[in-house]
Amino acid sequence: DGGITQSPKYLFRKEGQNVTLSCEQNLNHDAMYWYRQDPGQGLRLIYYSQIVNDFQKGDIAEGYSVSREKKESFPLTVTSAQKNPTAFYLCASGQLAGGPPYEQYFGPGTRLTVT
Amino acid sequence: AQSVAQPEDQVNVAEGNPLTVKCTYSVSGNPYLFWYVQYPNRGLQFLLKYITGDNLVKGSYGFEAEFNKSQTSFHLKKPSALVSDSALYFCAVGLIFGAGTRLAVHP
Repeated sequence: DGGITQSPKYLFRKEGQNVTLSCEQNLNHDAMYWYRQDPGQGLRLIYYSQIVNDFQKGDIAEGYSVSREKKESFPLTVTSAQKNPTAFYLCASGQLAGGPPYEQYFGPGTRLTVT
Repeated sequence: AQSVAQPEDQVNVAEGNPLTVKCTYSVSGNPYLFWYVQYPNRGLQFLLKYITGDNLVKGSYGFEAEFNKSQTSFHLKKPSALVSDSALYFCAVGLIFGAGTRLAVHP
């Protein structure tokens, strides 16, 4: 999966608890992304970051938060405000170099189940 | 606004036959188009991309895609399908992904 690690692979939480998903990359990529995958809906962008200490909301940012304190790390927190958090979460990274959107390299994903 | 559509939920093809997975897009300006493949419970793997240049793009594992500006399409193709090609395929324009097409290759 291209030098991107996500942990844990499976995560179970009770409703009302915040949970943080880890994403680390050793590809020296500038940009990192978080997507959510639900059956039949493809991938939807939650947050992305193009540089350390800066990030932007994607299409479905409500109920999520992120940080980018290091180039290698982009953790995602699923808060209790997220109405339907059970999903497969994918982290990705990509090079920017001032050019067009480049291909992304994905981690293996974290399957979050909230009951 | 950018959007991408994959009109087929599933494509079935016999091993050895050619395959096509369809993708159409809508974008203002230059399209940056990608195909990715996902195996069960795994992340996506990059297959190929179109940024500019030749309309026929060659990628990994024998896949290729044809960019057609007039039809706003970017269909994924392979001359001879393998059972191991069975997976979920995603077309993307920039950071916007289609819903995915499941490819089933039968022996």
